[in-house]
Amino acid sequence: SQTIHQWPATLVQPVGSPLSLECTVEGTSNPNLYWYRQAAGRGLQLLFYSVGIGQISSEVPQNLSASRPQDRQFILSSKKLLLSDSGFYLCAWSVSRGTEAFFGQGTRLTVV
Amino acid sequence: AQSVTQLGSHVSVSEGALVLLRCNYSSSVPPYLFWYVQYPNQGLQLLLKYTSAATLVKGINGFEAEFKKSETSFHLTKPSAHMSDAAEYFCAVSDQPSNTGKLIFGQGTTLQVKP
Repeated sequence: SQTIHQWPATLVQPVGSPLSLECTVEGTSNPNLYWYRQAAGRGLQLLFYSVGIGQISSEVPQNLSASRPQDRQFILSSKKLLLSDSGFYLCAWSVSRGTEAFFGQGTRLTVV
Repeated sequence: AQSVTQLGSHVSVSEGALVLLRCNYSSSVPPYLFWYVQYPNQGLQLLLKYTSAATLVKGINGFEAEFKKSETSFHLTKPSAHMSDAAEYFCAVSDQPSNTGKLIFGQGTTLQVKP
């Protein structure tokens, strides 16, 4: 069966520090991968998606970037965090040209 | 462009009462529709999905939803609420026909269940 791992679960970082969140998927090949952000009391905003290695699409301009160095690995990064980057970050995957997405457990990022 | 609107950011019901969470969508093509549940500090779990088969979709934990094209709605229901149903619920539509699998989410509805 397929599983998705996302880490760390919680993270407190100072303003201006770098960020690296990692997500890996097991049990499937060539998945579509996604990074969503959920701000407090708000819905989910799609940040990035990837349909293959090295293929990244950005949905909104921001202080973050994403990379997909391997088929089942998706990384969310920042060179310098802003206070506004605080939130709950969720990684997800779906079957290529499939329907539903499956989510990781999320990372609670607090920028102080 | 597709969009989802969830009516009511907070819904409160008594234990044993009917749960009704409302979702309306906008789509220029036949939509794929989903309901997800999120418990505090956790990821999203798929409750059910509509992908152009039966219009009444049954999901996990006793939930079901009915696709009504004429009303562009996909409301989530459960006949009898349980305390464990207290969570946040998201309705989502998939981005056909591009088929990247992107989901467009509503703002979410927090369900409170009172004893």
